[in-house]
Amino acid sequence: DGGITQSPKYLFRKEGQNVTLSCEQNLNHDAMYWYRQDPGQGLRLIYYSQIVNDFQKGDIAEGYSVSREKKESFPLTVTSAQKNPTAFYLCASSSWTGSYNEQFFGPGTRLTVL
Amino acid sequence: QKEVEQDPGPLSVPEGAIVSLNCTYSNSAFQYFMWYRQYSRKGPELLMYTYSSGNKEDGRFTAQVDKSSKYISLFIRDSQPSDSATYLCAMKTSYDKVIFGPGTSLSVIP
Repeated sequence: DGGITQSPKYLFRKEGQNVTLSCEQNLNHDAMYWYRQDPGQGLRLIYYSQIVNDFQKGDIAEGYSVSREKKESFPLTVTSAQKNPTAFYLCASSSWTGSYNEQFFGPGTRLTVL
Repeated sequence: QKEVEQDPGPLSVPEGAIVSLNCTYSNSAFQYFMWYRQYSRKGPELLMYTYSSGNKEDGRFTAQVDKSSKYISLFIRDSQPSDSATYLCAMKTSYDKVIFGPGTSLSVIP
């Protein structure tokens, strides 16, 4: 089955720790995205990548880092510099970023900082 | 003013009702308009996509875009309990990223 997987589904972190959220896709998509979702707010773009070994900051990149070493994988690290990391994190992919291309979303990771 | 505004609800309707979900926006350059459905604790899935103005129908769902008023709507006919979810509008220019609304929570009561 083609799709996007995210792991883990739930993640708990102590303050001051870095954590890495996994995102893998087997749709052969060039573009991948990380969004953050908070109650009452739309999805906010953290980082996106249009091609391997290249990525751009989104609207709320501070306190986050990413890598894109393989086409299939786009892990997100939430660093201790992120002031309010508790949120629902969604990974998405699309064929490319120009004009319109449907974004397919993973099931999400819920991160809670204790 | 936010780029995309959407009434968060919650909206509660009886089974079989017609549901109207709406978004307003401020950027006249938006050309691509989407509606996503998101079940609780899941990722969003694309429901409808419309380019520029006009209507689009798919089964019980109809999407409308009125660019002159900067207003888009999603209508659900004969609503079912399985339609209970959060509905996110989203829109895009031809060269920029997708902007999502905050979502409207819908409950269809049997």
